[in-house]
Amino acid sequence: GQSLEQPSEVTAVEGAIVQINCTYQTSGFYGLSWYQQHDGGAPTFLSYNALDGLEETGRFSSFLSRSDSYGYLLLQELQMKDSASYFCAIHMDSSYKLIFGSGTRLLVRP
Amino acid sequence: DGGITQSPKYLFRKEGQNVTLSCEQNLNHDAMYWYRQDPGQGLRLIYYSQIVNDFQKGDIAEGYSVSREKKESFPLTVTSAQKNPTAFYLCASRDGQASNQPQHFGDGTRLSIL
Repeated sequence: GQSLEQPSEVTAVEGAIVQINCTYQTSGFYGLSWYQQHDGGAPTFLSYNALDGLEETGRFSSFLSRSDSYGYLLLQELQMKDSASYFCAIHMDSSYKLIFGSGTRLLVRP
Repeated sequence: DGGITQSPKYLFRKEGQNVTLSCEQNLNHDAMYWYRQDPGQGLRLIYYSQIVNDFQKGDIAEGYSVSREKKESFPLTVTSAQKNPTAFYLCASRDGQASNQPQHFGDGTRLSIL
């Protein structure tokens, strides 16, 4: 089977940096994605890591360590609009399936 | 504009009734997916389809059925066998063979029991 673990909730101050961790267990692994979902909305894609290392996209960065089965999403210069749920998701294999974690709710305070 | 359209936005089901949720995409994507999301939870895969006329069960397929007769359309039927159907249903599509292609989501359908 597969499992992903991420913290249920994180709180940070506007302008700060926050890191959301994700650990996983799976028999097949192609890569790790991150999605953002605002309350009542659709998830939107943020980033993807297939290889070890850091991927940077503007204020957001994502890191993967395949040997540690671990990744994180780093959000810099936090803004109020970043308050949302963030999901890590495993790409299992060539079948295109994604397995999602239970999500981390980020609350950004003034 | 290209995208994924889910309808209706809200749906109510009576006991013993089957209901069908629509999902249409004009992104020319081969793969389509249905997820269920319960309050405060992650997304769980119900069914997915990689090509027309082919689909596979996800982790929670019991009580649901799908069809993929056209590339653009992937309707989900919630049958009376699904005893706890109240949830937020999300449809997604994806392009290409490369694993780094993201899934694009529709705005969802909220299903409730009358």
